[in-house]
Amino acid sequence: AQSVTQPDIHITVSEGASLELRCNYSYGATPYLFWYVQSPGQGLQLLLKYFSGDTLVQGIKGFEAEFKRSQSSFNLRKPSVHWSDAAEYFCAVGAVPGGGGGADGLTFGKGTHLIIQP
Amino acid sequence: EPEVTQTPSHQVTQMGQEVILRCVPISNHLYFYWYRQILGQKVEFLVSFYNNEISEKSEIFDDQFSVERPDGSNFTLKIRSTKLEDSAMYFCARLGQGDGYTFGSGTRLTVV
Repeated sequence: AQSVTQPDIHITVSEGASLELRCNYSYGATPYLFWYVQSPGQGLQLLLKYFSGDTLVQGIKGFEAEFKRSQSSFNLRKPSVHWSDAAEYFCAVGAVPGGGGGADGLTFGKGTHLIIQP
Repeated sequence: EPEVTQTPSHQVTQMGQEVILRCVPISNHLYFYWYRQILGQKVEFLVSFYNNEISEKSEIFDDQFSVERPDGSNFTLKIRSTKLEDSAMYFCARLGQGDGYTFGSGTRLTVV
């Protein structure tokens, strides 16, 4: 069964500091990996996604993520956070389109709550 | 990103009432999904729909839930007799052939 682990429930960083949010996944085939951000009471905004190509993926808002197959990880990074980055961040894994899967949809981690200190 | 439109954005209903949540994905999807997110918790898979049939469903998707495609384009999630614990954000999503997963903006259901 597919699963996603986000080991950090809360992370606090100072504005301007660098950020890394951890994500480990378990998936039986080629994974399709995602990071979403969610502000309170709002929907899911896609930050970036990966299933092939360069293992360092660039997303919106200055975020990037690196896929490491050997570690089953897809950590999210940002060199310098802004107060507006405070939100809940979710990592998710699912089937690659056209790969024959998809019935189970995406499996999400429990999320990491990012707090920005002034 | 291709769009998925959900209506209503917010619905308040009394316990025991039936609710219908609606979603209109763009065409050419492989799968269609409904997810639930209880406040402060993670997004949970409810059900997937493929070729006008339910493909997979989770333990959450019990007999009080049903999903339909009433007119060939809209997808609906019906909750027959709502309970307080059904209060959550409900997301629909699609999996396209070449453009991956796309989520709707969600419907916030409040059961009082």
